Amino acid sequence: QSALTQPASVSGSPGQSITISCTGTSSDVGGYNFVSWFQQHPGKAPKLMIYDVTNRPSGVSNRFSGSKSGNTASLTISGLQTEDEADYYCSSYTSDSALYVFGTGTKVTVL
Amino acid sequence: QVQLVQSGAEVKKPGASVKVSCQASGYTFSDYYINWVRQVPGQGFEWMGVIPPTGGAPGYAQKFQGRVTLTRDTSTRTVYMELNSLRSDDTAVYFCGRETTGMVADYWGQGTLVTVSS
Repeated sequence: QSALTQPASVSGSPGQSITISCTGTSSDVGGYNFVSWFQQHPGKAPKLMIYDVTNRPSGVSNRFSGSKSGNTASLTISGLQTEDEADYYCSSYTSDSALYVFGTGTKVTVL
Repeated sequence: QVQLVQSGAEVKKPGASVKVSCQASGYTFSDYYINWVRQVPGQGFEWMGVIPPTGGAPGYAQKFQGRVTLTRDTSTRTVYMELNSLRSDDTAVYFCGRETTGMVADYWGQGTLVTVSS
């Protein structure tokens, strides 16, 4: 059950846009349009931000968007706000023995 | 509103077992599977297993096969995760999550910290 690869940290100033990558294989990210992104504040449960690569649940700001190319998915946060400072994790359905695999996590810092 | 409420923190000795509960409300219980995931402090997530809401056998990650058991009580809309032969590296926060097609969870429990220490 190998983790998906994310950058350890990404930072930006308020109002800027940042992009977080999530690289897997053809057995997970590249093989299915079942990539999700979660936001997690310290000591809290994850919150779903993007599902099925590009879809936003109701109530999630349209500043969050997702995309995928080959084995790499991406989460873009535009108009960065201080409240966006958190850890972000991607997740994908996988054909491996584990049904789901997660990213290594990215700490987003708003400068 | 959809809620998954988990049982409280546990402290266990190596070799012991722990059983964590996850009670669902706010939706039709029989419509959704429940996943269990754990997060080692300061690290990422690991999928442990999934249980159908009514009938059907649970599925487990190979890493936990033989050590984890998922059960359900439909009368109380509660799912349980039992982990046996605990080791220090099982110290983690354990989460339950409501599975939707292709997605590990659209709603999560608040998490249960299990500490394994002698």
